[in-house]
Amino acid sequence: ILNVEQSPQSLHVQEGDSTNFTCSFPSSNFYALHWYRWETAKSPEALFVMTLNGDEKKKGRISATLNTKEGYSYLYIKGSQPEDSATYLCASHNTNAGKSTFGDGTTLTVKP
Amino acid sequence: DVKVTQSSRYLVKRTGEKVFLECVQDMDHENMFWYRQDPGLGLRLIYFSYDVKMKEKGDIPEGYSVSREKKERFSLILESASTNQTSMYLCASRLGTGNEAFFGQGTRLTVV
Repeated sequence: ILNVEQSPQSLHVQEGDSTNFTCSFPSSNFYALHWYRWETAKSPEALFVMTLNGDEKKKGRISATLNTKEGYSYLYIKGSQPEDSATYLCASHNTNAGKSTFGDGTTLTVKP
Repeated sequence: DVKVTQSSRYLVKRTGEKVFLECVQDMDHENMFWYRQDPGLGLRLIYFSYDVKMKEKGDIPEGYSVSREKKERFSLILESASTNQTSMYLCASRLGTGNEAFFGQGTRLTVV
C-alpha cells in the first residue's frame, strides 16, 4: 500500500483568509496526482489532474503545485469563502497499473 | 456529463445477509472502482476492474467480491454481511489510468 499523507487533517479559517494544505506521496514511479473536493452530502469531484514536475494548475481561487522529485503537492485557496468548506482529497498514481491511493483528506471549514 | 449511479442511497441489512451494491456509469469508461469510507480513514479501495470480467483486489478485499459482466455495471457483493462492514460505499469510474475519476453519490450501509 502506498503511503499518501495529507496535512493538516482539519483546518478552520475565517472568510477571506487564504490557506494551503499538503499532499505527500512516494516519488518513485510517479504517474499522476489528482485533487478532489468532497462537499457534504455530495460526491467527490475532481479539481486537478497533475502529471509533470513543476506543474501549476488553477481554477478560480484554487490552485495547486506539484513536485514529483520530492513527492509533494500543495493546494492553495485564495480568499476562502464558506462555499469552499469541504474535504479535499489527493490521490496518487505511482504505477501505470490502474489503481490509485487516496490520502485521508483535509477538511476545511470556512466561517463567515 | 458523466453520470455514475449507485442503486441505493441508504441500506439497512441484517448480519449474515448477502448484500448487492450496484453501480452503473454511462460514459463507456474502462475502469471502475469500489471504495469504502470510514471516519478518519479516508477512501480505501476494495476492488477495481479495468475491463469487463476483469477484477483486481484493492487494499481491503476481505469479505467482499465483485462482478463486472457488462462494461457499464460494476457490482459489489457482501457474501455474508457483518457489522464491521457498516460504512459508506462509493463507486467510481474513469476512462483510463491517470484520468480523473467520477464518483457515485454513495451508499450508506448499516448492518445490524
